[in-house]
Amino acid sequence: QQQVKQSPQSLIVQKGGISIINCAYENTAFDYFPWYQQFPGKGPALLIAIRPDVSEKKEGRFTISFNKSAKQFSLHIMDSQPGDSATYFCAASKGNTPLVFGKGTRLSVIA
Amino acid sequence: NAGVTQTPKFQVLKTGQSMTLQCAQDMNHNSMYWYRQDPGMGLRLIYYSASEGTTDKGEVPNGYNVSRLNKREFSLRLESAAPSQTSVYFCASSVAGSGGAGANVLTFGAGSRLTVL
Repeated sequence: QQQVKQSPQSLIVQKGGISIINCAYENTAFDYFPWYQQFPGKGPALLIAIRPDVSEKKEGRFTISFNKSAKQFSLHIMDSQPGDSATYFCAASKGNTPLVFGKGTRLSVIA
Repeated sequence: NAGVTQTPKFQVLKTGQSMTLQCAQDMNHNSMYWYRQDPGMGLRLIYYSASEGTTDKGEVPNGYNVSRLNKREFSLRLESAAPSQTSVYFCASSVAGSGGAGANVLTFGAGSRLTVL
């Protein structure tokens, strides 16, 4: 039973376009929703995170949108750049339990 | 400041051999984790240690053992390696527990790529 479902598996976006990655979760007790970014040959690194008491969080070109009633959250990358090409993971956790990760989305931004 | 250091970076084993992956963090974090990453499967938790002296199973613990040697070090052992354990293994640490306040930010190592023939 997959607790966090991520889509799409891969995504190709033109430079300057908007990249959108979606995640859906089952457990309504989850209270922390981060996104991690991973470049080839590296470990994942925290990109941005949100808690369910807000519907949106923005950091630079990266925005998380959170829909509690639909049990969904998404990552939007505005003005996508070739340097954004990486694998993105959504995740969720409840209290002190370990993070549960989605299966990842491989983003390619082409010029 | 090295963060999370994993050794070795690459290893090839034959079926049935044993080995230990080492992980050390220098951030004074309380919690440490071992994940495996397989194509199309995301990051799956093998074992974690919420604090020094404790360890707990994650989603895919079969075939693995762990040791929280001290606050800094958390090792993962494969007693009898199988081809299904071919994967990239990531160690991570966080300040306090898992989930909850911003203290839950995971810092990952660079990974250990293991091939079992």
